[in-house]
Amino acid sequence: EIVLTQSPDTLSLSPGERATLSCRASQSVSSTYLAWYQQKPGQGPTLLIYGASSRATGIPDRFSGSGSGTDFTLTISRLEPEDFAVYYCQQFGGSPLITFGQGTRLEIK
Amino acid sequence: QVQLQESGPGLVKSSETLSLTCSVSGGSINGYYCSWIRQPPGKGLEWIGYIYYSGSTDYNPSLKSRVIFSVDTSKNQFSLKLSSVSAADTAVYYCASRRRGSTAFGSWGQGTLVTVSS
Repeated sequence: EIVLTQSPDTLSLSPGERATLSCRASQSVSSTYLAWYQQKPGQGPTLLIYGASSRATGIPDRFSGSGSGTDFTLTISRLEPEDFAVYYCQQFGGSPLITFGQGTRLEIK
Repeated sequence: QVQLQESGPGLVKSSETLSLTCSVSGGSINGYYCSWIRQPPGKGLEWIGYIYYSGSTDYNPSLKSRVIFSVDTSKNQFSLKLSSVSAADTAVYYCASRRRGSTAFGSWGQGTLVTVSS
């Protein structure tokens, strides 16, 4: 099983600041197969990034993804109030086919 | 992207079978994979498995022995059955879709909370 470990568990920042979220895989993951989601309370997740660095339709350009191999990063360049949520990374292709990281909670400082 | 909506009982007794339906609107399910994903209260996401519109399936090995997926293309619906449930199966259950060739979920339902009672 490909285990995804996200860090930090909780990130406390202020609006306007830059957020950097990490996702580390227990074995190499093709960049094509790494995605990021945002989840707000009471809602299903929303796809932000697929293929490690491609923004999904309608996602603002302050969200960007990067990385390869076992280390991937989601960056939010300037935090807006609506960005405070939980973020998950997801890989495709191992066994089980799909696994998620445990999530990073982005909270207002 | 299509829109998804989960439905089914919110309360299931221990040892019985959980049954949920995912209704798809805004387009045909042809060419789509439907995955079921669950989230225990306050915890992270667990992939249960998928069913393709043609009926092919893949399961998380940890749940494979208890899960059955089905699809009804005439109704644009996917279904999940999870047998022999216990308190550990209490969770919000989501259906999520991805197109053939995609490796990420472009659409998710709002989720439905299923509580297993003793």
